[in-house]
Amino acid sequence: LAKTTQPVSMDSYEGQEVNITCSHNNIATNDYITWYQQFPSQGPRFIIQGYKTKVTNEVASLFIPADRKSSTLSLPRVSLSDTAVYYCLVGRNTGGFKTIFGAGTRLFVKA
Amino acid sequence: DTAVSQTPKYLVTQMGNDKSIKCEQNLGHDTMYWYKQDSKKFLKIMFSYNNKELIINETVPNRFSPKSPDKAHLNLHINSLELGDSAVYFCASSHLDTEAFFGQGTRLTVV
Repeated sequence: LAKTTQPVSMDSYEGQEVNITCSHNNIATNDYITWYQQFPSQGPRFIIQGYKTKVTNEVASLFIPADRKSSTLSLPRVSLSDTAVYYCLVGRNTGGFKTIFGAGTRLFVKA
Repeated sequence: DTAVSQTPKYLVTQMGNDKSIKCEQNLGHDTMYWYKQDSKKFLKIMFSYNNKELIINETVPNRFSPKSPDKAHLNLHINSLELGDSAVYFCASSHLDTEAFFGQGTRLTVV
């Protein structure tokens, strides 16, 4: 499994764009990069997944450079409800097959 | 309609007791998982079943035994509970190579 490194916590204000970077230097050729979001007292929720370049959905964008050794989750115009823990996962599939989520990045969005 | 539901949500029990946590999914997924989230918020996979067959069994004490009566259910039985078993246990489901959907979690406290 590719180990991931993320910042422990980040602060932001409502309306700002938030970028959370994840390092995964030993990512394997078949590995995908997946991000989950977890609110207090809830289970993680899938946000976005990608293999290379850029992926965008209605919630976020995921930027992956050519060497794939890192990735950046971009949350546009965050609101208070985006306060959560964000996990970066690297593995063979998106589900959680033999995956350790790690401690994630705690994002605090302030008014 | 709850996609992945776990019961109970909270469970307080004494050391040495045997307890079970139930999980049901109505998403038609073929794979179900049990994860443990400890006090440091690391989320680690414990077991995974695909079409009622065990496909992942991480290093978990034999006191933990999953049971899958059908594809929609994966229950977790724990014998001789110990203080260190206190954690939040999450059930999840997915199609084998797609993102996982998590339940709300069961907070187990062993006293």
